[in-house]
Amino acid sequence: QKEVEQDPGPLSVPEGAIVSLNCTYSNSAFQYFMWYRQYSRKGPELLMYTYSSGNKEDGRFTAQVDKSSKYISLFIRDSQPSDSATYLCAVNTSTGNQFYFGTGTSLTVIP
Amino acid sequence: DGGITQSPKYLFRKEGQNVTLSCEQNLNHDAMYWYRQDPGQGLRLIYYSQIVNDFQKGDIAEGYSVSREKKESFPLTVTSAQKNPTAFYLCASSMDPSSGGAGGYEQYFGPGTRLTVT
Repeated sequence: QKEVEQDPGPLSVPEGAIVSLNCTYSNSAFQYFMWYRQYSRKGPELLMYTYSSGNKEDGRFTAQVDKSSKYISLFIRDSQPSDSATYLCAVNTSTGNQFYFGTGTSLTVIP
Repeated sequence: DGGITQSPKYLFRKEGQNVTLSCEQNLNHDAMYWYRQDPGQGLRLIYYSQIVNDFQKGDIAEGYSVSREKKESFPLTVTSAQKNPTAFYLCASSMDPSSGGAGGYEQYFGPGTRLTVT
């Protein structure tokens, strides 16, 4: 079983829609949760990270962690064409040496 | 500006040649990482290093070598033994999660090097 599972999509939505991106993870020891945005042929850009459970909001982006179900989500409100990219989730323990990544979800926002 | 630089952006090599990819960071991070990204396969860890002069193999280390002589630098050599070297290579850094500090351990990436071997 992979440490992190992510639906690869592709996901296509109209401009202005609310987007929900999700990952599940297997190890309850994971405590750090990250979301990255990656444009084509570029390095991943850290969007948000959260520690333990709960929500974190930054502008149009909200990251949510549900440790009881080992489920992490990224919500994008009022989606824009510039949000079109691949979104990667990642997890880590508080002392671990390795980060574990989902395979990424490809998102297209149609004007 | 703090960040991670990788050079070159594009690299072309003939089969059988070794090639070295550069990675430099000025974030004062202890830990550095090399990943390989192929379409549909996500990020796969090649090597990582938590401190100078020490590094560990990741999931796909065969055919690769690294060095960590300086905290800021973590070059990756793709050797002729690597069977399928054509890929997008990403360098990353973070604070060292095992140091027990109170900071966040998010990982930051460089812009990547696209290597094509023919």
